[in-house]
Amino acid sequence: DGGITQSPKYLFRKEGQNVTLSCEQNLNHDAMYWYRQDPGQGLRLIYYSQIVNDFQKGDIAEGYSVSREKKESFPLTVTSAQKNPTAFYLCASSDGDRGSGANVLTFGAGSRLTVL
Amino acid sequence: GQSLEQPSEVTAVEGAIVQINCTYQTSGFYGLSWYQQHDGGAPTFLSYNALDGLEETGRFSSFLSRSDSYGYLLLQELQMKDSASYFCAVRENSGNTPLVFGKGTRLSVIA
Repeated sequence: DGGITQSPKYLFRKEGQNVTLSCEQNLNHDAMYWYRQDPGQGLRLIYYSQIVNDFQKGDIAEGYSVSREKKESFPLTVTSAQKNPTAFYLCASSDGDRGSGANVLTFGAGSRLTVL
Repeated sequence: GQSLEQPSEVTAVEGAIVQINCTYQTSGFYGLSWYQQHDGGAPTFLSYNALDGLEETGRFSSFLSRSDSYGYLLLQELQMKDSASYFCAVRENSGNTPLVFGKGTRLSVIA
């Protein structure tokens, strides 16, 4: 079955360490996104990529970095520069500008990062 | 700036009907979507409106009025499993651009 796989599901990090969250999709979707969710809050956009080898900053990109070397993969690195990284991170993809396709996001199960 | 407003919490009785409203102020508009998220889970797509009017999908319906920058999600015949958070989201630009999400409405269905 097609879908998005995020790993790890839970991650603990010490302050000052960089961590990379994996996101892989086999839906053949062009666009991929990273959102951050804090308790009781909505989803805030970190980065997104519309095509391979290209990505754009979202509303809260500071302290994060991404790469898009393959269509299937869009890893997110949470760097030590991120002041408050403890959150639930969600990766998503969409099918491009085919009518309503871009409005339908498919999400992964999420990665919960806790900084100790 | 961009903003989407929706109630933070709603409580309804099993078997009843509930409406979750969403008003938006965005620089552009290319559709209003609704997503459901159970505690600890990932959001899942429920419905999408690009044009004014009502879209029905089983027990769920979604409505849009572009002139009022307003939409709602209607859930009928509520079941306990409908207890979840519901997010409205707007796409501001054409093409494969990100959605802007509201903060979500937590729906509690009680017996």
